[in-house]
Amino acid sequence: AQKVTQAQTEISVVEKEDVTLDCVYETRDTTYYLFWYKQPPSGELVFLIRRNSFDEQNEISGRYSWNFQKSTSSFNFTITASQVVDSAVYFCALSEPFKAGKSTFGDGTTLTVKP
Amino acid sequence: DTGVSQNPRHKITKRGQNVTFRCDPISEHNRLYWYRQTLGQGPEFLTYFQNEAQLEKSRLLSDRFSAERPKGSFSTLEIQRTEQGDSAMYLCASSSPIPGQGAEYEQYFGPGTRLTVT
Repeated sequence: AQKVTQAQTEISVVEKEDVTLDCVYETRDTTYYLFWYKQPPSGELVFLIRRNSFDEQNEISGRYSWNFQKSTSSFNFTITASQVVDSAVYFCALSEPFKAGKSTFGDGTTLTVKP
Repeated sequence: DTGVSQNPRHKITKRGQNVTFRCDPISEHNRLYWYRQTLGQGPEFLTYFQNEAQLEKSRLLSDRFSAERPKGSFSTLEIQRTEQGDSAMYLCASSSPIPGQGAEYEQYFGPGTRLTVT
């Protein structure tokens, strides 16, 4: 069975601090996809990034970066120089390509960035 | 607006009543997913369509729940004889039919329908 664990329930930082959100996953599949989504107070889940299991290159997009380490089954997300607008719930998800692509989500990390 | 839309956004109903939600996916997406999200939890998979075919249902989807996608475009999710435990946000997502390095598994979510059963 697939499982995604986001151990940090809530994180609070002051604006301009860097923050890392942890994600650990479990799967028996050799091919899978990992995702991060942002859910702002408005409620709509916003796709941030996709990573497939064969690509362990880290990725940077502006202030966002992702660290995928297959050896530790982790896919961590770092926000550099956080801003108040980054306040949201962030979800990590794992998708099974051979099982309809349905996603298993973690329970999310609530990030609060204070001015 | 070409995103995923859901109606209604909010629904309050009394226990025992039937409710129906609608989801309109992004027009060129042939895959459509329903998820349920309760407070403090991540979305949980309910069911999935490819075109009009319902290909998978979670065991979370009891026999009181039924989903359809009759013409392969919009989808409806009906809950019969609602119970207080059905109170949740019901999310719809769609994904692209274009295969390529996992892009077909990027799911674009609608704003959700918040159901409150009193």
